[in-house]
Amino acid sequence: QSVLTQPPLVSGTPGQRVTISCSGSSSNIGSQTVNWYQHFPGTAPKLLIYGDDQWHSGVPDRFSGSKSGTSASLAISGLQSEDEADYYCAAWDGSLNGWVFGGGTKLTVL
Amino acid sequence: DVQLVESGGGLVKPGGSLTLSCATSGFIFSFYSMHWVRQAPGKGLEWVSSITGSSKFISYVNSVKGRFTISRDNAEKSLYLQMNSLRAGDTAVYYCVREYFYDAGGPAFWGQGTLVTVSS
Repeated sequence: QSVLTQPPLVSGTPGQRVTISCSGSSSNIGSQTVNWYQHFPGTAPKLLIYGDDQWHSGVPDRFSGSKSGTSASLAISGLQSEDEADYYCAAWDGSLNGWVFGGGTKLTVL
Repeated sequence: DVQLVESGGGLVKPGGSLTLSCATSGFIFSFYSMHWVRQAPGKGLEWVSSITGSSKFISYVNSVKGRFTISRDNAEKSLYLQMNSLRAGDTAVYYCVREYFYDAGGPAFWGQGTLVTVSS
């Protein structure tokens, strides 16, 4: 059971906008910034968003991050087939004194 | 470019030990906090341990405390993870990850990973 909660599956059609949610608590998302990662199985994960809503270098602005209270979201607009991957949120947890990840969301492009 | 290359993975019996290494290049290693993050087969990412540039601050996930030791050699630009009393649940791909900004921003730049399999 992950400390941060993500939906296991999200799907969309090409061109559509989808969002992936990440729910936490006051000890992590509520008081710390959130990162988002894209992971194609068998490869190294890639940082997409840091500091809640800041784009990592080279990341298309189709990806955007936001946060409200103890929840965060990753939005992907203009969905493309190459966006099909696993997505993870992460934040520092002040109570656990360590980083915590969401369980991951598999994005399928129909 | 930031380069992180893990090594040292392999097959080990339960209760055994293994040391992972991460050779780095493309940045001033001593300035940055470093992390180990793992992914068990069919599971999600799990943070394992972090160490600051000076090795002053170190932290571990509860499940490895007392069994794993993170360390670094700034002269060699290398990160290590000494793993003792290994369990089947430690089976995973272990990634070496660099912090985004010195000691802020979180895990950012990832190596390709090294597979550790704990099995009799």
